[in-house]
Amino acid sequence: SSDLTQDPAVSVALGQTVRITCQGDSLRSYYASWYQQKPGQAPLLVIYGKNNRPSGIPDRFSGSSSGNTASLTITGAQAEDEADFYCNSRHNNGNHWVFGGGTKLTVL
Amino acid sequence: QVQLQESGPGLVKTSETLSLTCTVSGGSISSDYWSWIRQPPGKGLEWIGYISYSGRTNYNPSLKSRVTISEDTSKNQFSLKLSSVTAADTAFYYCARLTIVEATTGFDYWGQGTLVTVSS
Repeated sequence: SSDLTQDPAVSVALGQTVRITCQGDSLRSYYASWYQQKPGQAPLLVIYGKNNRPSGIPDRFSGSSSGNTASLTITGAQAEDEADFYCNSRHNNGNHWVFGGGTKLTVL
Repeated sequence: QVQLQESGPGLVKTSETLSLTCTVSGGSISSDYWSWIRQPPGKGLEWIGYISYSGRTNYNPSLKSRVTISEDTSKNQFSLKLSSVTAADTAFYYCARLTIVEATTGFDYWGQGTLVTVSS
């Protein structure tokens, strides 16, 4: 089990918008960070904090948060966005970090 | 550009100790937080722990009794030891930099990962 809950799989038509969500009590106190992982590769940070993108991450990726839910939105999904996405945040007790179970994104 | 590279044995025997080292270039381990994260094949990510810029450590409660993270600042390396391993510890092991700014945190640089298989 995980302290952060994600839907196992989500699909989106090419060029459309998709939202991937992450739920957990820790998200009321700490921001989520989001990671994209393609097969055979290390995870890549795509969103952190309120809505920050590391250098090189396309602006079609954005983040938001409300209550105990954080969301990653991809506006105009591309074929290369197909991947597993993981959320992460600091645990409620502030002493360790937890990952969501991951969401497999399919671009149709 | 910060780069991280894991190294260590790819095969460890059951009940023995897994040992990995992460070499950091383009940055200093005397700043920020340096973490280990693992991922069993086909499964999700699990944070193992970190060592801070000051040498303070913090571990996942589920692994705390078996984990030690240490540093060698002269080599700009940090290391992971996981004792009494079982098949459940078979995973890709990643080292990563953890950035913490109040309520905002993120693992912004990662190594490529190394597969460690536990077998008798």
